[in-house]
Amino acid sequence: QVQLVESGGGVVQPGRSLRLSCAASAFTLSRHVMHWVRQAPGKGLEWVAIISYDGDNTYYTASVKGRFTISRDNSKNTLSLQMNSLRPADTAVYYCAREGLAGHCSRTNCYLSGFDLWGHGTLVSVSS
Amino acid sequence: QSVLTQPPSVSAAPGQKVTISCSGSSSNIGSNYVSWYQQLPGSAPKLLISDNNYRPSGIPDRFSGSKSGTSATLGITGLQTGDEADYYCGSWDSSLSVVVFGGGTKLTVL
Repeated sequence: QVQLVESGGGVVQPGRSLRLSCAASAFTLSRHVMHWVRQAPGKGLEWVAIISYDGDNTYYTASVKGRFTISRDNSKNTLSLQMNSLRPADTAVYYCAREGLAGHCSRTNCYLSGFDLWGHGTLVSVSS
Repeated sequence: QSVLTQPPSVSAAPGQKVTISCSGSSSNIGSNYVSWYQQLPGSAPKLLISDNNYRPSGIPDRFSGSKSGTSATLGITGLQTGDEADYYCGSWDSSLSVVVFGGGTKLTVL
């Protein structure tokens, strides 16, 4: 079954770290640009980060730049999000999402068509 | 404050048609593809429309997308109670180098 399954969420104190993982099943991860998207409780979707096929190119939303790192291991069909210096404002459900086959990113820009597969999400709660 | 602007809510009766607008700028909608997502209560988002107006396999032809200049529109015909959900537009922003979403539109089928 073609799917994405996130893991690694939980409750963490402000300033601490957490690593999210996303396991891809029944498709070849290396053929797709991948994203992380989050949704705070009762709020809308907020894009977090994107990574190119080979991991060489990444882009981040301003609020996480320098704190979060997106990475991928195509040999293990896995996407990750390392989150450091967490803040209460980072509290959200985190989704990994697959970009359609036509999407791609270069060093200077991305050309995207849409997120055609989403995981079920994992909840991250940052609280003291 | 979202970069893409959507109406907070729309409503219509079963069987009727509704449109949801998404307004942006030359650096996002004006020069990149728009996609639309449906999020049913308690569920992950699902792709409805990619590449401005392409319907992925399995999406009914009651759903349609269009783009003109720096605005895009999602149309839904033959409304069903099961269409009650939040709808989001999204696009790449070439100036900011980020994906931008609209704030979401809650559809109520009266």
